[in-house]
Amino acid sequence: GAVVSQHPSWVICKSGTSVKIECRSLDFQATTMFWYRQFPKQSLMLMATSNEGSKATYEQGVEKDKFLINHASLTLSTLTVTSAHPEDSSFYICSARDVGQGAAGELFFGEGSRLTVL
Amino acid sequence: AQSVAQPEDQVNVAEGNPLTVKCTYSVSGNPYLFWYVQYPNRGLQFLLKYITGDNLVKGSYGFEAEFNKSQTSFHLKKPSALVSDSALYFCALEGPGAGSYQLTFGKGTKLSVIP
Repeated sequence: GAVVSQHPSWVICKSGTSVKIECRSLDFQATTMFWYRQFPKQSLMLMATSNEGSKATYEQGVEKDKFLINHASLTLSTLTVTSAHPEDSSFYICSARDVGQGAAGELFFGEGSRLTVL
Repeated sequence: AQSVAQPEDQVNVAEGNPLTVKCTYSVSGNPYLFWYVQYPNRGLQFLLKYITGDNLVKGSYGFEAEFNKSQTSFHLKKPSALVSDSALYFCALEGPGAGSYQLTFGKGTKLSVIP
């Protein structure tokens, strides 16, 4: 099946620094990618929908200035956690759907990125 | 608003026994329903989906799910559980006219298969 690569898998940073997480669709094109946050023992919370060539659509309560999303090409979306603080520590997961699929096409997920802010 | 409920936080089953992970949903119109599995510190893997047609959907790793419109349920099943099936399972819903095709996830059910 299609592969979504997420990098880095693990990142530890100091409070106040910024961290960039990349999400790449390796063998398909994705006009739309999704960024989720998962707290321990909880479900996935949709943070934003990343649209190629345009601004991301953020869910209510998600700070767009805090979580910068860029979708510069059909195969790459990035999430930058700016001025990270310990409460931003979480597991971040991206997903993407093949351009050729319509509604109910399979979503392919990255392996996730574990962010720990000291 | 659409929603997905997974009433059980955890399901324990003995190896070799049948397993069921429950899911109910609420949506206007016809739903698109999915099951995903997540292993520790990993992303989600697709198991199966229901769009239309046969109410019994067969998926990966021997899993299947039955769509029941009258009960608004989409329970995940497997005839004989394996220890390697132990993981976190998510039911998800994509409602009609979802726009950018977002999924609404249930809270997840942790499945433990006991040797």
